[in-house]
Amino acid sequence: GQSLEQPSEVTAVEGAIVQINCTYQTSGFYGLSWYQQHDGGAPTFLSYNALDGLEETGRFSSFLSRSDSYGYLLLQELQMKDSASYFCAVRDYNQGGKLIFGQGTELSVKP
Amino acid sequence: DTEVTQTPKHLVMGMTNKKSLKCEQHMGHRAMYWYKQKAKKPPELMFVYSYEKLSINESVPSRFSPECPNSSLLNLHLHALQPEDSALYLCASSETGGANTGELFFGEGSRLTVL
Repeated sequence: GQSLEQPSEVTAVEGAIVQINCTYQTSGFYGLSWYQQHDGGAPTFLSYNALDGLEETGRFSSFLSRSDSYGYLLLQELQMKDSASYFCAVRDYNQGGKLIFGQGTELSVKP
Repeated sequence: DTEVTQTPKHLVMGMTNKKSLKCEQHMGHRAMYWYKQKAKKPPELMFVYSYEKLSINESVPSRFSPECPNSSLLNLHLHALQPEDSALYLCASSETGGANTGELFFGEGSRLTVL
């Protein structure tokens, strides 16, 4: 089977840096994605890592270590609008490539 | 156009009703998905259509019946639902199905309440 673990809640202040970790177990790992979802909104894609290393997109970066079955999402220069749920998700090629979501991390950004 | 459009946004139905949720995308994507999401929980995959054929059914009860009339449209037919089926139903699409597909584009969802 598969499992993903990420913290349930993280709180930080505006302007700070926060890292949301994700560890996974899956038989047919293909890549790690991150999605953001605001309350009442749709999940939106943030990043995808298939290979080891850091991917940077503006204030957000994502890292993957395949050997450690670990990744993280790094959010810099936090803004109030970053308050949302963040889901890591793995794609499992042994299950037709379906995307499996972690339980989500609720990020609260305080002034 | 990078949108996935879902209708209706809200739906209230009784346990004996029959209703349908609709989803449309015009990005030329060949894979479409139905997810169910309860409050404070991650999206749970229900069905995947790849090239208009059902490729994944996550053992969903038969009271949920998906349909893919063409590559742009995806329906979810609902019949004899239970109150515990109340949730946000999300439609998503991606360029292709399978392991090497890219990001999923989600619609805003249809919030379903079963009385």
